[in-house]
Amino acid sequence: DTEVTQTPKHLVMGMTNKKSLKCEQHMGHRAMYWYKQKAKKPPELMFVYSYEKLSINESVPSRFSPECPNSSLLNLHLHALQPEDSALYLCASSQDWGAGGNTIYFGEGSWLTVV
Amino acid sequence: GEDVEQSLFLSVREGDSSVINCTYTDSSSTYLYWYKQEPGAGLQLLTYIFSNMDMKQDQRLTVLLNKKDKHLSLRIADTQTGDSAIYFCAEISGTGGFKTIFGAGTRLFVKA
Repeated sequence: DTEVTQTPKHLVMGMTNKKSLKCEQHMGHRAMYWYKQKAKKPPELMFVYSYEKLSINESVPSRFSPECPNSSLLNLHLHALQPEDSALYLCASSQDWGAGGNTIYFGEGSWLTVV
Repeated sequence: GEDVEQSLFLSVREGDSSVINCTYTDSSSTYLYWYKQEPGAGLQLLTYIFSNMDMKQDQRLTVLLNKKDKHLSLRIADTQTGDSAIYFCAEISGTGGFKTIFGAGTRLFVKA
């Protein structure tokens, strides 16, 4: 069962709000990812967690704060976002990180609108 | 840096074959992938090929890899309207810190 579940599916938030996106996988994968996708563009990597430790931060603004409470869960905390942050946020996981054969499996995404 | 390129649009008639092409630059790529994204959805892994293979077939899907030319293609036989989606080619770049590098995506439109 290759399933990554994300909640909520849709989120509308004001620029002063604090909200969180949640992601869960039960495939025993040890690497988890956040990607951002704008319309008609490929996904852009934001963060990579490997064995619950942050391995990669692609120079993401601090208004996005990732958290990995355990190997199955990944959160993305949002605060003081801008309208241009509106996008589809995709969570993904893979067996491992840092080697050549780690196929990434994506969730259905969370649609974020900042007003 | 590492780059993956795809044509942006393909239109075919229902029942015809579709061929989506992709070129990549990283010769150290070990795995190459095809993902499908339907409107409003996440990316679904369709198939992948290891770099020491030339071809992989999975039901209606055929992946061809020309490692010398760094060219990857996805052939969909008997294309259906449900195949209308964006198809992303991707590679795991060995020289890119093992990040997955995505192409811009090819939008496939299937006419009934």
